[in-house]
Amino acid sequence: DAGVTQSPTHLIKTRGQQVTLRCSPKSGHDTVSWYQQALGQGPQFIFQYYEEEERQRGNFPDRFSGHQFPNYSSELNVNALLLGDSALYLCASSFWGPWPLMMVDTQYFGPGTRLTVL
Amino acid sequence: AQTVTQSQPEMSVQEAETVTLSCTYDTSENNYYLFWYKQPPSRQMILVIRQEAYKQQNATENRFSVNFQKAAKSFSLKISDSQLGDTAMYFCASNTGNQFYFGTGTSLTVIP
Repeated sequence: DAGVTQSPTHLIKTRGQQVTLRCSPKSGHDTVSWYQQALGQGPQFIFQYYEEEERQRGNFPDRFSGHQFPNYSSELNVNALLLGDSALYLCASSFWGPWPLMMVDTQYFGPGTRLTVL
Repeated sequence: AQTVTQSQPEMSVQEAETVTLSCTYDTSENNYYLFWYKQPPSRQMILVIRQEAYKQQNATENRFSVNFQKAAKSFSLKISDSQLGDTAMYFCASNTGNQFYFGTGTSLTVIP
């Protein structure tokens, strides 16, 4: 059973450029969340996708956008890159819980994409 | 917004000994989950243990157990018989609704 996969592993961009990161969820999972992890910090929630819609969003600017495809895979796009966007970007997948809880249970993480902005 | 606090940035333990990592959280919700994740230097975030807030019984997974004190909003992780492979960054996380909140992590070093 394949776990969460992410591509690419590493990426180097320059300021002002745009980047797309990709994630395939664990088999059977329908929800994908994206996190930014700066060096020495805990992951910060960017947004979450379920049924191809953004369901929750953290405190990130509109330069950060995403998409979820019918096969549940997801992309994270960052426009107009800044030096401060350099970080490890983590994708996590989970299963959207049933009514009445309607909440995500355990998240399983991919290995991450290391983005460096020069 | 929820907050998760880990007050121990770094800890060390002798191999085969027991260590406890602390975590406190703040939420006004009744339904939530709590987690401990481990992130070794290879960076893959791995689930260690999970606790449902409505369950009073503390979760246990082999050498890992938690002390969940709901009224105090405390969720500590105990690692028994520490092994060299336990060396990693440990993150406490809470999940209310559909958003996870992570602490800043505790760097644990197991000394041979």
